[in-house]
Parts: sequence; C-alpha cells; structure tokens
Amino acid sequence: DVKVTQSSRYLVKRTGEKVFLECVQDMDHENMFWYRQDPGLGLRLIYFSYDVKMKEKGDIPEGYSVSREKKERFSLILESASTNQTSMYLCASSPRTGSVIQYFGAGTRLSVL
Amino acid sequence: AQKITQTQPGMFVQEKEAVTLDCTYDTSDPSYGLFWYKQPSSGEMIFLIYQGSYDQQNATEGRYSLNFQKARKSANLVISASQLGDSAMYFCAITMNAGGTSYGKLTFGQGTILTVHP
Repeated sequence: DVKVTQSSRYLVKRTGEKVFLECVQDMDHENMFWYRQDPGLGLRLIYFSYDVKMKEKGDIPEGYSVSREKKERFSLILESASTNQTSMYLCASSPRTGSVIQYFGAGTRLSVL
Repeated sequence: AQKITQTQPGMFVQEKEAVTLDCTYDTSDPSYGLFWYKQPSSGEMIFLIYQGSYDQQNATEGRYSLNFQKARKSANLVISASQLGDSAMYFCAITMNAGGTSYGKLTFGQGTILTVHP
C-alpha cells in the first residue's frame, strides 16, 4: 500500500522561527511535491523535486525553500516564518514515468503566531 | 498557463441519489490529464479518477465517472448512488504532458464541498 508520511499533523510556531516540514514516501517515487492549501484557493504548488538534490520552483515559492538529500525524503523549510504562512501544507509523490497519479500525505496544519 | 474552475462552492445531495460536480479547464497544451481528488475532513487527499486528453472513453471507477467533454473543456465528476461517506471536499486538477515522462505538476481548482443528507 502506498504511503506518504508527513511528520506532524499540527504545528504552532512563532513569527521569525525557522520551520521544517518533513515528508517521507516509501514508494521509490522520483517526483515529490509541496503544496499549500487555503480556503477558496485550492492547492497551490510551492516547490517540487524530480530527483535527489534537484528542485524547481512552483507557483508560490517566495518565503520557502526545500531540501531533498535522499530519494524518499523531501523537506519544506520556512526560513523565517510569518503569519501569512499559516496554512495547510500537503506533500505528494509520483513516479517519473507511467502513472501520473500523485499520492498525498495527510497534511500539516501550521499556525504561525 | 493552465487553469481549473470549479464554480460550485457547495453542493447538497440526498443519500442514494446521483450528483454531478462541475469542472472546467483551460490549457493550451494538446496533451494533458484531468484528475479528481476527494478530501475528507481528516485532511488527506484521496485519488478518485483520471482522464487523459486522448482517451476516447470516459473514465469510470466504481461509483465515480468522469464526464469528459473536450470541446467544451469540461471534466465533470458524477457520483452515483451517493453515500454518507461521500461528504467531503472534492478537487478537480489538471496536469500537462499526460503519460510518458512527466513531472506531473498539478494545477487545482478551488474545490466543491459535497454534503450528503440521509
């Protein structure tokens, strides 16, 4: 059974803190994605990675960075958290070839106070 | 750029009845794929159904079917025989270069909240 695991379901951080959101997949997928979900806006792509150490900006990368040192792990980093980064964050993975289906984690609800 | 529009913020349906959730899309790419995902209140995104732009037949997966009208650029989700467990947020999404080698980046719509009444 496919599995994408996000390390935290809920996080509360303070403005200015450095925040790490971790995502691990066990399906040997090449592609991994970070999305942000806000009411009325759907999901928006922050960053994605198509291989180890490779990354590309999505639609809303400002204020975020990512790290992919191992194939199974993709981290989203908020260098200096701000209140407008309070949101639901979803990680997903997919294989490079064949199926284009993305498999999602359960999400992390981040509150920045 | 690709765009997905879901015009129904909320929909209500009686248990055991069918319901259609609307989705229109805009893309200049000749090859693309369309998805529907379900998001229950617990938060995880569950894949429901996929339609490739060159697929001749409408996709079906159990009680879910995708009414694909290419000329109208619509990809409506039809849920037959609704169940209480179908109450959730539903998202339509599009990716370009469906099939073959693709990074598979998805562009999502705003979502539709479906409520199934007993």
